[in-house]
Amino acid sequence: AQTVTQSQPEMSVQEAETVTLSCTYDTSENNYYLFWYKQPPSRQMILVIRQEAYKQQNATENRFSVNFQKAAKSFSLKISDSQLGDTAMYFCAFMIRSTSYGKLTFGQGTILTVHP
Amino acid sequence: KAGVTQTPRYLIKTRGQQVTLSCSPISGHRSVSWYQQTPGQGLQFLFEYFSETQRNKGNFPGRFSGRQFSNSRSEMNVSTLELGDSALYLCASSLDGDADTQYFGPGTRLTVL
Repeated sequence: AQTVTQSQPEMSVQEAETVTLSCTYDTSENNYYLFWYKQPPSRQMILVIRQEAYKQQNATENRFSVNFQKAAKSFSLKISDSQLGDTAMYFCAFMIRSTSYGKLTFGQGTILTVHP
Repeated sequence: KAGVTQTPRYLIKTRGQQVTLSCSPISGHRSVSWYQQTPGQGLQFLFEYFSETQRNKGNFPGRFSGRQFSNSRSEMNVSTLELGDSALYLCASSLDGDADTQYFGPGTRLTVL
């Protein structure tokens, strides 16, 4: 079975500081994609960043970057220069290519609070 | 481009009733996935439709069903509602559903009394 584990139910950070959210996953497949989504209190789920498992280079998107360790099945998200608008629930997810159409497997989420 | 839209945004039903939720994907997207979000179980995949065909299905009872129309709009139906069906139902669309990015709608909050 495919699983995603986010071991930090809640985290907090001061504005302008850096925070790292952890995620580990388990799959026997080799061709998959990893995602981080954020869900602010308004409830609209928004893509933060995406990583193709076949790429060794870590994905970056402005203040957001990942540390992808394929052998360890780890996919952490680093948020630099945290802003109040980053306050949200963050979900780690993955999707298997070509065999599991349209199915994202999500972790339980990490609530991130950015304090002024 | 307009985003994914879901209607209605809120619903209150009683046990035993049935409900239909609607999802309009981003223009050009042919894959629509549905998820159930609850505090206890988190986000769980219900099913995915592509070109009016269900390609993938999660572990939900047969009371949960869906369909997709030729314009890629999708509906999901829950029959014989139970209290445990109270949840936020999210719809997501993508180009072809094969590991491409999913874009989510705002969700429909269903409360079963």
